Amino acid sequence: TQLLEQSPQFLSIQEGENLTVYCNSSSVFSSLQWYRQEPGEGPVLLVTVVTGGEVKKLKRLTFQFGDARKDSSLHITAAQTGDTGLYLCAGASRTGNQFYFGTGTSLTVIP
Amino acid sequence: EAQVTQNPRYLITVTGKKLTVTCSQNMNHEYMSWYRQDPGLGLRQIYYSMNVEVTDKGDVPEGYKVSRKEKRNFPLILESPSPNQTSLYFCASSLSPTGDNEQFFGPGTRLTVL
Repeated sequence: TQLLEQSPQFLSIQEGENLTVYCNSSSVFSSLQWYRQEPGEGPVLLVTVVTGGEVKKLKRLTFQFGDARKDSSLHITAAQTGDTGLYLCAGASRTGNQFYFGTGTSLTVIP
Repeated sequence: EAQVTQNPRYLITVTGKKLTVTCSQNMNHEYMSWYRQDPGLGLRQIYYSMNVEVTDKGDVPEGYKVSRKEKRNFPLILESPSPNQTSLYFCASSLSPTGDNEQFFGPGTRLTVL
């Protein structure tokens, strides 16, 4: 069962452009995390959002949790080549001990 | 250095030959979990453990077993591997079993079942 759908699946943009990645579900999550994964490595946490409507900023990255805690978005301003990677969202179940990952968005930033 | 280690990193085996992938963490984390990653499907949770001797099924547990006899170790066992278990496997751990804790992932084990 794929509870979290990410879009787009692939994204190729020029350095300096802005982009948004979406993570959508019909299920409610107690929290939502965004991870970034480099080839040959495990995912690394970028941010956790817990409250509906919460917005968190990490330098050029802005994360938002939907009001109903069913969806989230990741916005990158002025993308850099170092942003290239696979971005994964992950929702935690109401009990917090099960995690459901999104399908992933593969981002390539071209110099 | 705080880390999650997995062994082996790469494994090619044949159908039906029992195998174990080890996972160890040195951060005294309570929560540990196994995932498999397949193209277009993201990561799917296989099993998780909230503490020693406490394990539970994730989203795709069929064909897998786990044990948690010590806090630091959480091996994944495939009693009779089949080709549809060919995948990239990740072990992860976090401080406690609540959804707002960071999960630390191991480097992955690429398994091929012929």
